[in-house]
Amino acid sequence: QSALTQPASVSGSPGQSITISCRGTSSDVGGHDFVSWYQQHPGKVPRLLIFDVTNRPSGVSNRFSGSKSGSTASLTISGLQAEDEADYYCASYRSSAKYVFGTGTRVTVL
Amino acid sequence: EVMLVESGGGLVQPGRSLRLSCAATGFTFDEYAMHWVRQIPGKGLEWVSGITWNSGSRDYAESVKGRFSISRDNAKNSLSLHMHNPRVEDTALYFCVRQQQLADYFDSWGQGTLVTVSS
Repeated sequence: QSALTQPASVSGSPGQSITISCRGTSSDVGGHDFVSWYQQHPGKVPRLLIFDVTNRPSGVSNRFSGSKSGSTASLTISGLQAEDEADYYCASYRSSAKYVFGTGTRVTVL
Repeated sequence: EVMLVESGGGLVQPGRSLRLSCAATGFTFDEYAMHWVRQIPGKGLEWVSGITWNSGSRDYAESVKGRFSISRDNAKNSLSLHMHNPRVEDTALYFCVRQQQLADYFDSWGQGTLVTVSS
């Protein structure tokens, strides 16, 4: 049961935009629109950022946006801020009522 | 306020059993599917197991299938994970997680309970 593939790290300067990719297969990311993204600061609990590929829960900044093309989903952070420095995980429903997370991406604000 | 509070973690020897519990408050527990997600310290998230609102369906990651058992008691607003024959590689922080209704994402997480499997 392999994890979705994310880059280990992405960095950017304050104010810049960065994009984190999440590569899966036709059995998960490419098979439906049930992709979500989570932010986790060190020592903290994961927090939902994006659900159903593009939707933001109330309270999440509009600097966070999601998209998908084929079997690859993406999270874009616009106007990068120091508080965005954290780990980010994608997740997807996979066939047979299972779920899978991405390998995780550490975002560094330079 | 939604609260999920895990308990039952600790040190367990390989091959022994351990039961994790999750107490849910602040929402109508029996209307939501629930899950366990784990994280090896310093590593990524791994979905472990999920159960529907009425226990009609229970699913497991291949890594724990046949060894772990998920259950819930809607009368007591509680979720459990029975870890049978744990292995060293099961050492992790175990989160109790709520799945949003009619959706496939996780909207509330507990603080986690740490399980260490070691002889």
